[in-house]
Amino acid sequence: GDSVTQMEGPVTLSEEAFLTINCTYTATGYPSLFWYVQYPGEGLQLLLKATKADDKGSNKGFEATYRKETTSFHLEKGSVQVSDSAVYFCAHNKGGYQKVTFGTGTKLQVIP
Amino acid sequence: GAGVSQSPRYKVAKRGQDVALRCDPISGHVSLFWYQQALGQGPEFLTYFQNEAQLDKSGLPSDRFFAERPEGSVSTLKIQRTQQEDSAVYLCASTPSRGERNTEAFFGQGTRLTVV
Repeated sequence: GDSVTQMEGPVTLSEEAFLTINCTYTATGYPSLFWYVQYPGEGLQLLLKATKADDKGSNKGFEATYRKETTSFHLEKGSVQVSDSAVYFCAHNKGGYQKVTFGTGTKLQVIP
Repeated sequence: GAGVSQSPRYKVAKRGQDVALRCDPISGHVSLFWYQQALGQGPEFLTYFQNEAQLDKSGLPSDRFFAERPEGSVSTLKIQRTQQEDSAVYLCASTPSRGERNTEAFFGQGTRLTVV
């Protein structure tokens, strides 16, 4: 069945370090891909998305490229900040409506 | 309001008790979704409404779970005879469209249900 697999956390980085959170998916057809972020005490927020192969989504210094050949959508940021500390969820949807399948989440902690 | 609002934020229920969780979507949003997020897991789809019509309830884990959206705006998720395994955060999301695949879903902060 459809699924999303992302690297387990927690991930602990020093401020200004490079971040990669791996995400791979299985789905029939051509899903749209998303990264959602959940800051402490807040609801899920869309961070970025890509709707077709080779698209790059970007927001707040984060980027992810839709790689159809490797069924991946890895999240990257060149220089993380303490304020990036949150849980990050990779997700996809392919249904005729926005039924989103989420990964288990990766907790990121950035220390000064 | 400006975003999706859920109430209560926290609910503690004794095993066997019935609970009702409320979701106020963004005004005018057509589609509404409920998700269940267990501790340390990603959200799992429960059910979907388009206006007042419940078009998909395939994710509801048992017949103790029931959702409604009678006037196409506010939705209520009801859980009867709660069990400990129902303990989770219940998330509501809405979108302005009829759920086209590229549309961003706006999530509420969730209701954390603890069954004791």
